[in-house]
Amino acid sequence: RKEVEQDPGPFNVPEGATVAFNCTYSNSASQSFFWYRQDCRKEPKLLMSVYSSGNEDGRFTAQLNRASQYISLLIRDSKLSDSATYLCVVNGSPSGGYNKLIFGAGTRLAVHP
Amino acid sequence: DGGITQSPKYLFRKEGQNVTLSCEQNLNHDAMYWYRQDPGQGLRLIYYSQIVNDFQKGDIAEGYSVSREKKESFPLTVTSAQKNPTAFYLCASSIYSSNQPQHFGDGTRLSIL
Repeated sequence: RKEVEQDPGPFNVPEGATVAFNCTYSNSASQSFFWYRQDCRKEPKLLMSVYSSGNEDGRFTAQLNRASQYISLLIRDSKLSDSATYLCVVNGSPSGGYNKLIFGAGTRLAVHP
Repeated sequence: DGGITQSPKYLFRKEGQNVTLSCEQNLNHDAMYWYRQDPGQGLRLIYYSQIVNDFQKGDIAEGYSVSREKKESFPLTVTSAQKNPTAFYLCASSIYSSNQPQHFGDGTRLSIL
């Protein structure tokens, strides 16, 4: 089983749609969770951290379910500029403070007019 | 502006040649990382360094070497022992803490001539 699993997509949605991505992780000791966005042939950029109570940043909402070991990202009112690959990232370090992040392979989103 | 600078943007390697990828950061981050990304795959950790003059192998260190003589700099050498070096190489840095996200440079694309 992969440490971080994501549906690769692509998710093809019209502008204005709401779309949700899920991600599952295998290490129950993980403490830090992030969503990154990666545009084609560019570097990943931090979209948002994911907190235990869930958090929102504008049109983006992230949720964490520790019991089921999954993270979700909800995008409301999709824009053309949201088209990108979304990477689920989990801190897999078992101890020692080393910030080893495990990256999912990403879910591709394509928003069309 | 604070950030991470990678150079060159594109690099070509001949058979049997070693090449060095540069990574410099002015974010005053303690930890630095090198990742490799292949098409359709997640990022894989090559090497990381938590402090000057110390570095550790990641998941795919064979055929690569690094140094960390200065806090700001973490160059990666792709040696001739790396038989499949064609990939997108990403350097990242973070505050030395297991809960903090990593921030990326804009990457170097390495190809074989």
